[in-house]
Amino acid sequence: DIVMTQSPLSLPVTPGEPASISCRSSQSLLHNNGSNYLDWYLQKPGRPPQLLIYLGSHRASGVPDRFSGSGSGTDFTLKISRVEAEDVGFYYCMQVLQSPRWTFGQGTKVEIK
Amino acid sequence: QVQLQESGPGLVKPSETLSLTCTVAGDSISSSSYYWGWIRQPPGKGLEWLGSFYYSGSTYYNPSLKSRVTISVDTPKNQFSLKLRSVTAADTALYYCARRRVDYGLSLIDDWGQGTLVTVSS
Repeated sequence: DIVMTQSPLSLPVTPGEPASISCRSSQSLLHNNGSNYLDWYLQKPGRPPQLLIYLGSHRASGVPDRFSGSGSGTDFTLKISRVEAEDVGFYYCMQVLQSPRWTFGQGTKVEIK
Repeated sequence: QVQLQESGPGLVKPSETLSLTCTVAGDSISSSSYYWGWIRQPPGKGLEWLGSFYYSGSTYYNPSLKSRVTISVDTPKNQFSLKLRSVTAADTALYYCARRRVDYGLSLIDDWGQGTLVTVSS
């Protein structure tokens, strides 16, 4: 099975500053159709996760453009250009190449300094 | 707008079977555009996929739980259910049902239930 590894696991951030989370997969998530089957989700306190990024770099509907996803193959990054207070929570990457088995990273806790 | 709602007992005794149902409104679980599944989150921990099914009737399970988990489907009621046998305290978690879109080359979880907390305790 594909193993997803996130870093860091805890990320104190300053509002207005950029932030970055890494996600590494034990196997390439690049499909032969050219898409990377990697999603990013944000789970705010007391809420189910919400989709931020799909297919590695596509922002979901309604997601602010300060969020961006990049990477290919086994290495992916979620970037927040300017962190806002509402961005606190746990961020998870998830591989969906090995469909329909869904595998999550351990999660990264983003909190305000 | 689709809505998913989990229901079931909030307390299960050790060694018994955990049973939950997800009721879907606003979409058909027979749609070829989606997988439907269960994900859980132990208190203070991360997300774990338990299993999912496709409209074709195929079901898929997390290998670490495969011998204990069953997903069944009630198409007329637009519901699907989770059964987890021989539970222990380690199965205490918030259980979510979710929908993953897979048409047009997409693959994303676009809807989740609110989650239901199940505690395993005597």
